[in-house]
Amino acid sequence: GQQLNQSPQSMFIQEGEDVSMNCTSSSIFNTWLWYKQDPGEGPVLLIALYKAGELTSNGRLTAQFGITRKDSFLNISASIPSDVGIYFCAGPMEYGNKLVFGAGTILRVKS
Amino acid sequence: SAVISQKPSRDICQRGTSLTIQCQVDSQVTMMFWYRQQPGQSLTLIATANQGSEATYESGFVIDKFPISRPNLTFSTLTVSNMSPEDSSIYLCSVDQGTYSGANVLTFGAGSRLTVL
Repeated sequence: GQQLNQSPQSMFIQEGEDVSMNCTSSSIFNTWLWYKQDPGEGPVLLIALYKAGELTSNGRLTAQFGITRKDSFLNISASIPSDVGIYFCAGPMEYGNKLVFGAGTILRVKS
Repeated sequence: SAVISQKPSRDICQRGTSLTIQCQVDSQVTMMFWYRQQPGQSLTLIATANQGSEATYESGFVIDKFPISRPNLTFSTLTVSNMSPEDSSIYLCSVDQGTYSGANVLTFGAGSRLTVL
């Protein structure tokens, strides 16, 4: 089935640093979604990408839909302690209106 | 976006018992999805629940183990039957928030964290 390979698995960074994570697939995706999950909560949508090459920002977050449609990245600038959490990429499955998720990137911020 | 309430938020269960998780949405939605998140893992889709029809299960999940009800457009339940420690997970209810270019954006509940002893 479709799989999303997300990296890095985890990051431990200093407050104020920029963060970059990415997601790749052997399959073409028509949509890329980035979610964040805080401890004890469900995932919350950060950014949705719908066109190849699209670059979209949401505050300090920027995400891009790769030209090949097989990858996407998420950048966080000037990280702050509340950025801590698990970040997931996601995309629609081949059949039906369902999402497949990457393994997640655990972000820890040292203040 | 829709507000989703899940109950229980967490529970500790004994091996061999069953537990039903409830999902209430503050608006009518066509499709509801149940996901499982095992400890330290990503989200895996269990099934899609549509009102008025049988739930559709993903590979590796069966109705006898995870029976689902969808009595109306704002409510669904997931039962985890005959539980074993391997069923210890967070179970998440989600709803689609609309379609754009064929892909749904999902909104999630806070999840139900089950620990099976």
